[in-house]
Amino acid sequence: DTEVTQTPKHLVMGMTNKKSLKCEQHMGHRAMYWYKQKAKKPPELMFVYSYEKLSINESVPSRFSPECPNSSLLNLHLHALQPEDSALYLCASSPSTSGRSTNEQFFGPGTRLTVL
Amino acid sequence: AQKVTQAQTEISVVEKEDVTLDCVYETRDTTYYLFWYKQPPSGELVFLIRRNSFDEQNEISGRYSWNFQKSTSSFNFTITASQVVDSAVYFCALSELSGSARQLTFGSGTQLTVLP
Repeated sequence: DTEVTQTPKHLVMGMTNKKSLKCEQHMGHRAMYWYKQKAKKPPELMFVYSYEKLSINESVPSRFSPECPNSSLLNLHLHALQPEDSALYLCASSPSTSGRSTNEQFFGPGTRLTVL
Repeated sequence: AQKVTQAQTEISVVEKEDVTLDCVYETRDTTYYLFWYKQPPSGELVFLIRRNSFDEQNEISGRYSWNFQKSTSSFNFTITASQVVDSAVYFCALSELSGSARQLTFGSGTQLTVLP
C-alpha cells in the first residue's frame, strides 16, 4: 500500500467551529507532515512529526493543533480559524527525516478547507 | 535568495509539442536530492522522480526525461509529445539537511497548459 489518505476531501466551517483533518498511511513511514497550500503557490510546511514526536513547528498559529496518535495517523485540529486560513491542506509521509534519508515524501489528495 | 527557482510561471503549448520545464537550485550540502512533483487540478501532489546529487546520469521514463547538471545547479524536466493530460502545475523540490534532519523546499511551480 503506497497511499496516503486524507479525510474529508472538502470542509466548510465557520470561524467558531471546531473540526479535525485526518491523515493515514500504511507504508511504515516514521515521518509525517502537514502542509498548507494557497492557490497558485507551493506547499508551505506547517508541522513535522518524526517517530510520533513533533519535531518541527513552522511558527504556525495555535488555532492549528497537530496530533499524532500513532505512527500511521496524523490529525490536524482546527479551532477559531480565520477566512485567510482557507486553503488546501496536504498531508505527506516519508520513511524518515534523518540526514541519511532522501526525505522522499508521498502526498495525500488534500483537504480543501473553506472558512466562512 | 530562493533555494529552488522555477523561472517559468506559466507555459502553454499545443498538443504533441515538446516542452522543457526549468529548475535551478542552490545548496551548500554535498549530498542532496532533487525531486519533481506534478499537481493536477485535483490537488494531489504526484511524485515523478528523485535524483541524487552524486548521480548525474540523465533519466528517461516514457515521454518524460530529466537533465541534471551539477555544474549549472539545474535539474530540467522535458515532456516529449505533450498531451492534454500533462496539464498541471509542476514543482521542483530540493531535499537538504537543516540541522540533523532533511527538509523539502519547493520551487514556486510552473503551470503547464497543453492545448488540444
